[in-house]
Amino acid sequence: GQNIDQPTEMTATEGAIVQINCTYQTSGFNGLFWYQQHAGEAPTFLSYNVLDGLEEKGRFSSFLSRSKGYSYLLLKELQMKDSASYLCAVMDSNYQLIWGAGTKLIIKP
Amino acid sequence: GAVVSQHPSWVICKSGTSVKIECRSLDFQATTMFWYRQFPKQSLMLMATSNEGSKATYEQGVEKDKFLINHASLTLSTLTVTSAHPEDSSFYICSARSGTSELNEQFFGPGTRLTVL
Repeated sequence: GQNIDQPTEMTATEGAIVQINCTYQTSGFNGLFWYQQHAGEAPTFLSYNVLDGLEEKGRFSSFLSRSKGYSYLLLKELQMKDSASYLCAVMDSNYQLIWGAGTKLIIKP
Repeated sequence: GAVVSQHPSWVICKSGTSVKIECRSLDFQATTMFWYRQFPKQSLMLMATSNEGSKATYEQGVEKDKFLINHASLTLSTLTVTSAHPEDSSFYICSARSGTSELNEQFFGPGTRLTVL
């Protein structure tokens, strides 16, 4: 079966750095997405990785290793507004998005 | 960026009634629209995929006669929850994709929170 694993919840301090990991087993791979979802709102796109390596976009970076079935989202200089759920999703060989359950990130002052 | 709207944002209805949710792509033509359902603290669950002018493709376990999807134009798709029951209470989210490439980004609507009494 297809499976996306990410931690349920993480806590970090304002101004710090946090890394959210995602491992996946899917039938085929056409890219990995990270989305941010605030409570009661729809997901918003953060990043897309299809090749191995690190993609940096401002305070957020996303890393992919296809051979390990592994990705992480790195958030730097954390702000209170970064408190949200972060969803990892993989596009499989049928171009369907397989979603993880999300990681709830709690930022403390 | 591309904007997708949903209406209504939230709806409360009595058990047994039908509810229609609209999903519109405001500044692009959406060849494909997706309907998701999300229960509290759970992941997004794809319900169905619809292409303009053709019948929707439903995921396993989703009743097509209960969740009616119409994608009549390149900017509008509707989801009708027929004979709604309390267990249908959920957060329904649509997304839209432009172009013909499956790798094109999906843009999400703001979601509709349905509560069935």
